[in-house]
Amino acid sequence: LAKTTQPISMDSYEGQEVNITCSHNNIATNDYITWYQQFPSQGPRFIIQGYKTKVTNEVASLFIPADRKSSTLSLPRVSLSDTAVYYCLVGVIYNTDKLIFGTGTRLQVFP
Amino acid sequence: NAGVTQTPKFRVLKTGQSMTLLCAQDMNHEYMYWYRQDPGMGLRLIHYSVGEGTTAKGEVPDGYNVSRLKKQNFLLGLESAAPSQTSVYFCASTAGRGQPQHFGDGTRLSIL
Repeated sequence: LAKTTQPISMDSYEGQEVNITCSHNNIATNDYITWYQQFPSQGPRFIIQGYKTKVTNEVASLFIPADRKSSTLSLPRVSLSDTAVYYCLVGVIYNTDKLIFGTGTRLQVFP
Repeated sequence: NAGVTQTPKFRVLKTGQSMTLLCAQDMNHEYMYWYRQDPGMGLRLIHYSVGEGTTAKGEVPDGYNVSRLKKQNFLLGLESAAPSQTSVYFCASTAGRGQPQHFGDGTRLSIL
């Protein structure tokens, strides 16, 4: 059962790059790594997903080392609107009962 | 394209009452889920469905029942509400393996 560990909170300033690391020592061969963002009073929103190496989209990058025991979500040049809770999720979609969200990382961006 | 729609958005119940939360998705997704989120905590999976007519228990299924009679709808029922079930309930859906989940905006349920 892949469990994730993330920092409880992080602070940053506008324009800075933010890196949030997630540990998942028990990740299985078929597990994907997925990151979600959640604003207050809203459901989580998909940010990025990967299996190995590096994945980049228009909002973030995901770095996954060769052993896949951790991953890092990188948010370039954050703004105030990036203040949210970020969840790292590890698992295979069709084994849904093994998906664990954890408590997430609360990112606060200051002006 | 509405995505995932949850009804109602808010509800207050008395202990012992029953109710049903409705989740509807218009993306033709096979998989649907119900989660609960308590203050300061992540989401915990209650029940899920991998297709029409199928359901399965998640991490915290006790006190809840679900049904997936139509592919686009996933219902969560509370037969006898308890104060411990006060929470925000989220529904999600996904097309399948390796695909991200799409979430609704939640139902805030208070049980007095």
